[in-house]
Amino acid sequence: QKEVEQDPGPLSVPEGAIVSLNCTYSNSAFQYFMWYRQYSRKGPELLMYTYSSGNKEDGRFTAQVDKSSKYISLFIRDSQPSDSATYLCAMRANFGNEKLTFGTGTRLTIIP
Amino acid sequence: EPEVTQTPSHQVTQMGQEVILRCVPISNHLYFYWYRQILGQKVEFLVSFYNNEISEKSEIFDDQFSVERPDGSNFTLKIRSTKLEDSAMYFCATSRDRANYGYTFGSGTRLTVV
Repeated sequence: QKEVEQDPGPLSVPEGAIVSLNCTYSNSAFQYFMWYRQYSRKGPELLMYTYSSGNKEDGRFTAQVDKSSKYISLFIRDSQPSDSATYLCAMRANFGNEKLTFGTGTRLTIIP
Repeated sequence: EPEVTQTPSHQVTQMGQEVILRCVPISNHLYFYWYRQILGQKVEFLVSFYNNEISEKSEIFDDQFSVERPDGSNFTLKIRSTKLEDSAMYFCATSRDRANYGYTFGSGTRLTVV
């Protein structure tokens, strides 16, 4: 079983729709969870981070973590064409462990 | 907004040659990382570097790889004898402290080994 699994898509939705992106993981040591956005030929850009289980909201973005199910989600409300990108989930274990483990990324296209 | 700058943006090299990839971190950042992304695959951790020494490395980071801060500002990744399978995007990332959950990534260097 892969340490982090993410549906690669592609995912196409109409402008204004709610987008749901998800990752599952197998390593119960993961405690820090992040979502990155990556545009073509660019580096990953941090969107959201959460610690342990719970929800976090920032503008149109909401991140959810369910550690009991080893499942994390990113919701994008009122999606815009500029949200079209690849979305990467990433995770890290305890405070002293600096390595981020990434999912494969989901390619998202918002259709105007 | 401060940026992590990587040069060159694209490097083509012959198999067996040495390459040096360069990164200029954000000025007050103290923790430095290299990641790579082979085409169509996920971003993978290579190495973390703090206080002029490696703090963590992955199994990918073998004796062919090395990192250093030669002049206190640039952060470099050297591959001594490149292989075809080293072809990938290489990303430098930096953070101000270890409590920072996420890192700032550069735009990457596309390395093509022929």
